[in-house]
Amino acid sequence: NAGVTQTPKFRILKIGQSMTLQCTQDMNHNYMYWYRQDPGMGLKLIYYSVGAGITDKGEVPNGYNVSRSTTEDFPLRLELAAPSQTSVYFCASSYEGQDSPLHFGNGTRLTVT
Amino acid sequence: GENVEQHPSTLSVQEGDSAVIKCTYSDSASNYFPWYKQELGKRPQLIIDIRSNVGEKKDQRIAVTLNKTAKHFSLHITETQPEDSAVYFCAASRANTGFQKLVFGTGTRLLVSP
Repeated sequence: NAGVTQTPKFRILKIGQSMTLQCTQDMNHNYMYWYRQDPGMGLKLIYYSVGAGITDKGEVPNGYNVSRSTTEDFPLRLELAAPSQTSVYFCASSYEGQDSPLHFGNGTRLTVT
Repeated sequence: GENVEQHPSTLSVQEGDSAVIKCTYSDSASNYFPWYKQELGKRPQLIIDIRSNVGEKKDQRIAVTLNKTAKHFSLHITETQPEDSAVYFCAASRANTGFQKLVFGTGTRLLVSP
């Protein structure tokens, strides 16, 4: 049982490039999330999904897109990367119950130069 | 929307001392308050949580208290150990349907010196 798996672990992008951060979970969780973590700023919700085919914006969605074609996968797409998107990105998932903890992946450290 | 403030940003204690981290929230409808611990270079992990119908919850050396009137909640760690050194995040959300649209605090870096 791998939990939440994110790839890649590290990536350097040039301004204007695009990339997809991959996230997959094997716990059959319906709820999935993408957060970004900037130094001293805590975790900010980018997008979330309550099930396959359903996605919605979080606090900081600009510059990102997501899709949820299956229960397991929730990729995050960056189009036209900007230096402001330099951050650590965490994918997470949870059950539907009220006391369900978030299970985080190991994160992707992205640098845009 | 919800806003969560967390203090202090850094906390240094000696091994065996107690540590207290405080958070305030703005949305009186928030009813779920988890605490996450993030060790250096690792993923955040839930350590304890509390719902608004409870004033205090304990789990061995850690406890969380909630004051709904004042809209603040605190994490208490007793008999601290070096392995407690990490960044701790508080969060708040309305979790009526199970979905947690958590708003996180900015984190507290706890350093426990032997």
